[in-house]
Amino acid sequence: EAQVTQNPRYLITVTGKKLTVTCSQNMNHEYMSWYRQDPGLGLRQIYYSMNVEVTDKGDVPEGYKVSRKEKRNFPLILESPSPNQTSLYFCASSPQGNQPQHFGDGTRLSIL
Amino acid sequence: DQQVKQNSPSLSVQEGRISILNCDYTNSMFDYFLWYKKYPAEGPTFLISISSIKDKNEDGRFTVFLNKSAKHLSLHIVPSQPGDSAVYFCAASVYFGNKLVFGAGTILRVKS
Repeated sequence: EAQVTQNPRYLITVTGKKLTVTCSQNMNHEYMSWYRQDPGLGLRQIYYSMNVEVTDKGDVPEGYKVSRKEKRNFPLILESPSPNQTSLYFCASSPQGNQPQHFGDGTRLSIL
Repeated sequence: DQQVKQNSPSLSVQEGRISILNCDYTNSMFDYFLWYKKYPAEGPTFLISISSIKDKNEDGRFTVFLNKSAKHLSLHIVPSQPGDSAVYFCAASVYFGNKLVFGAGTILRVKS
């Protein structure tokens, strides 16, 4: 089954404790992206990757890091999480950047 | 400044009637538009798209209309069904670009 898998689905943690949200896709897609969803703001792009070893900032990259060492994986790293990063996060992938994206089911992060 | 706006946070429609969801954009460079549907606890799923060379695109019960001069698009669902109850996001991009900009979403409730 074609899918984008995120882990964990839910996480409650404390300020400053480094965390990683993993994202994996099994569709051999070139393009992957991370979004955060906040009430009244819709989905905002954090980072995206056009291909392996190629990443670029989206609209809200501050406080986040990503890496793309393999085509299938695109982890999101919060080096020093803060409460304003409490949000619902989605990973997505598509064959190319200008094509409809497939989304994972989301990761709800709460940072206390 | 939100480049893609969905001004109606919610919409309630009777089963069998038409649902019309609206979206406005400000960036005249946008030339590719998409609608996504999202159920609770799931990621958004792609519904329908339209490029700026067209003013209408249909897929079954779903039709998207684009008015470039007004920078406005709408999604029509006919007839509406209870299973259509979800959050609908409008999104826009530059066709050969890599970023997708989302609106805040509209909650559609279809009453049986």
